Amino acid sequence: DTEVTQTPKHLVMGMTNKKSLKCEQHMGHRAMYWYKQKAKKPPELMFVYSYEKLSINESVPSRFSPECPNSSLLNLHLHALQPEDSALYLCASSQGLAGVTNEQFFGPGTRLTVL
Amino acid sequence: DAKTTQPTSMDCAEGRAANLPCNHSTISGNEYVYWYRQIHSQGPQYIIHGLKNNETNEMASLIITEDRKSSTLILPHATLRDTAVYYCIVRVAARGSTLGRLYFGRGTQLTVWP
Repeated sequence: DTEVTQTPKHLVMGMTNKKSLKCEQHMGHRAMYWYKQKAKKPPELMFVYSYEKLSINESVPSRFSPECPNSSLLNLHLHALQPEDSALYLCASSQGLAGVTNEQFFGPGTRLTVL
Repeated sequence: DAKTTQPTSMDCAEGRAANLPCNHSTISGNEYVYWYRQIHSQGPQYIIHGLKNNETNEMASLIITEDRKSSTLILPHATLRDTAVYYCIVRVAARGSTLGRLYFGRGTQLTVWP
């Protein structure tokens, strides 16, 4: 299984809602990532987890709260988002953080719309 | 910060080779060149990587100049399914403050036409 799955595929939420994005991989990877991609822009790194511990937070606002409950799962909890947070949210995983052949496998993304 | 420069867009006829250039003039000795692509509405997909030697796999070839300041990704026989945005990325593979980070630049939109 070389797949990263993300649910839901699409999400529409109001600014007062609380929702969560879910990412799952069963490749035994120990590093997992969240990226944000606005329309016609490249992906931007948000968070990195290594061995279920938060390793990198790219100064992301606290209304985005990541969680890694186990080595296969990565969640992104959303609360009090703004319309400008509407974007494609991509999850990725890799064997670890270091290593030459340490390519990242990406999921298809969750398209989020904040009204 | 992306450390690469790529043309915004390129065209290629189906069945012909697509040669995508990338400039990385400030690349450090311990940084590798990686290529990913993103087909519309999908997540990015790893293609190939290299340090200083030319590399080939089932998807593409990577040619890195001797001074390592630029590289070219070659898709030998482009198909319509290769239409995508191609990202050239440099990153440290071992220790360092950028460990784990992929900095995507704007990429090149490759359009393969029939």
